[in-house]
Amino acid sequence: ETGVTQTPRHLVMGMTNKKSLKCEQHLGHNAMYWYKQSAKKPLELMFVYSLEERVENNSVPSRFSPECPNSSHLFLHLHTLQPEDSALYLCASSQGVGVITDTQYFGPGTRLTVL
Amino acid sequence: GENVEQHPSTLSVQEGDSAVIKCTYSDSASNYFPWYKQELGKGPQLIIDIRSNVGEKKDQRIAVTLNKTAKHFSLHITETQPEDSAVYFCAASIEGWGSARQLTFGSGTQLTVLP
Repeated sequence: ETGVTQTPRHLVMGMTNKKSLKCEQHLGHNAMYWYKQSAKKPLELMFVYSLEERVENNSVPSRFSPECPNSSHLFLHLHTLQPEDSALYLCASSQGVGVITDTQYFGPGTRLTVL
Repeated sequence: GENVEQHPSTLSVQEGDSAVIKCTYSDSASNYFPWYKQELGKGPQLIIDIRSNVGEKKDQRIAVTLNKTAKHFSLHITETQPEDSAVYFCAASIEGWGSARQLTFGSGTQLTVLP
């Protein structure tokens, strides 16, 4: 729909597992973002990448590890998560560079449940 | 940093009536204010935005107003329809030449349009 896809859409993992979330944007954008959406809380920005370099890390625990191999793909590697990490993880992209006005486009999210 | 407050958290209206959602922000440097609609099982989608050089913007049944002096902005939906039922988020950021922007989101409003 918006040109931003996320896989998987649903993920259940144990606290000792290692898994990865994938995001791909088909909009030719230069910036990509990871957000966490928990029930009854505002969207929390986790990481921002611009031209494949991390430009923002909002005090996210090290059990979350982002990777941006190119401007179209963004990963979030997960290991030894806690039950309170259960949430909807949203990826977004924007033009980011060389523009004054900027709009973020979101993917559908990955619903993560940590047991 | 920026803080965005959104009210009400839930709103029920009869089909055909108007709905108004209000947000306040704290950082006077913020100059970009988007509104997102999130339907069940989907990521947020931009429905309208406003920049600080204008006081009002309208797109069919949706309008947004901005009062920079008071640091608040509002979303107005007229002639509401059942398909308008969703969670609505306001956000604020600072635009300018540079790389990716950081959006600060409100906590969301669950709008229910009753048939």
